[in-house]
Amino acid sequence: GESVGLHLPTLSVQEGDNSIINCAYSNSASDYFIWYKQESGKGPQFIIDIRSNMDKRQGQRVTVLLNKTVKHLSLQIAATQPGDSAVYFCAEKSMDSSYKLIFGSGTRLLVRP
Amino acid sequence: EAGVAQSPRYKIIEKRQSVAFWCNPISGHATLYWYQQILGQGPKLLIQFQNNGVVDDSQLPKDRFSAERLKGVDSTLKIQPAKLEDSAVYLCASSLGTSGAPYFGPGTRLLVL
Repeated sequence: GESVGLHLPTLSVQEGDNSIINCAYSNSASDYFIWYKQESGKGPQFIIDIRSNMDKRQGQRVTVLLNKTVKHLSLQIAATQPGDSAVYFCAEKSMDSSYKLIFGSGTRLLVRP
Repeated sequence: EAGVAQSPRYKIIEKRQSVAFWCNPISGHATLYWYQQILGQGPKLLIQFQNNGVVDDSQLPKDRFSAERLKGVDSTLKIQPAKLEDSAVYLCASSLGTSGAPYFGPGTRLLVL
């Protein structure tokens, strides 16, 4: 199938290790952030979100951290599995831009068995 | 709950031809988005609807692209005439409201020859 992330930065991790994917966002007025996972040939899949009044949110095996001071977002995946291999995008929304969802450039995660 | 449906899944046309894509959002979702994703890049918003009104179409190439959501449910995106650079995946997404998380369909893969 086609590859979504032909020219994207790549993070390679060993199965079972923790993964950290980083994202720098552009709009200081953004107040809602989402992480998506995209596998080849599929649409982006919602993973986890966080609003600007929080700095950390946890899900099942995933944690999102938000640092508004430096406009930085990270996604932590615990005990990374082969099924986690995909391209990961951060996305931001802000009221001052009609809540348009703007995507970052993406990171490709490769999990070594 | 059924997800976002899109058709067709694949389309191959020659340049200067016309093409149309259809999207059926998640039931009850008032906000509908069309995105273009070129290989190796993140999705780019083309148009955002709130019910049957346009919220943002600032990045829609209006000389060749058009979209409608006449009854506030299904939507169609049309390209006429197509150019080689329109080859991409066209993603439809929907959310409960403008400030919520969009959920994506599988996309339509367009190849313009």
